[in-house]
Amino acid sequence: EDKVVQSPLSLVVHEGDTVTLNCSYEVTNFRSLLWYKQEKKAPTFLFMLTSSGIEKKSGRLSSILDKKELSSILNITATQTGDSAIYLCAVEGTSGTYKYIFGTGTRLKVLA
Amino acid sequence: KAGVTQTPRYLIKTRGQQVTLSCSPISGHRSVSWYQQTPGQGLQFLFEYFSETQRNKGNFPGRFSGRQFSNSRSEMNVSTLELGDSALYLCASSQEVGNYGYTFGSGTRLTVV
Repeated sequence: EDKVVQSPLSLVVHEGDTVTLNCSYEVTNFRSLLWYKQEKKAPTFLFMLTSSGIEKKSGRLSSILDKKELSSILNITATQTGDSAIYLCAVEGTSGTYKYIFGTGTRLKVLA
Repeated sequence: KAGVTQTPRYLIKTRGQQVTLSCSPISGHRSVSWYQQTPGQGLQFLFEYFSETQRNKGNFPGRFSGRQFSNSRSEMNVSTLELGDSALYLCASSQEVGNYGYTFGSGTRLTVV
């Protein structure tokens, strides 16, 4: 059965810390992996990764995909309270019964 | 440009009733997908529509149905509501079926009492 597992489930850090969130997957015919940030309701798009080893970067956030290890990491440096959110990982495969399969997310809380 | 619009924002229904949720995608986006989000299960895929056709369907009972209109707007219907249907229902649109990622709406919070 296809699945996406994120770790840790939750994380509490202090402002200025660096965090690494993990996403591992088992999907049929991997196509892409996406990261989203969900603060209240609508998840907002962060990154889409399709090629292994190529880092995507946006400000203090960066992500990289490792197709050999079937995983991705999302790094956030110099965390701020505004980074507090649920970070969702989603993977697109071709099993035919879903568009993207999501992990349950990592809840990050950044303390001032 | 306007984002994905979902209506209503909040809804309270009683068991046994039926409900219809609406989603208007970003202009030009022809693919609309629906997800159910609950604290324990995360985002669970319901179905995806493209050009008025259901392209993919998740593992939900037949009480959950949807459709898409010629203007790409989509509706989701849940009949014979159960307490366990209480959730945030998210709609997401993308430019076409394929590798372009989603833009999500703010969701409809459904509470079944």
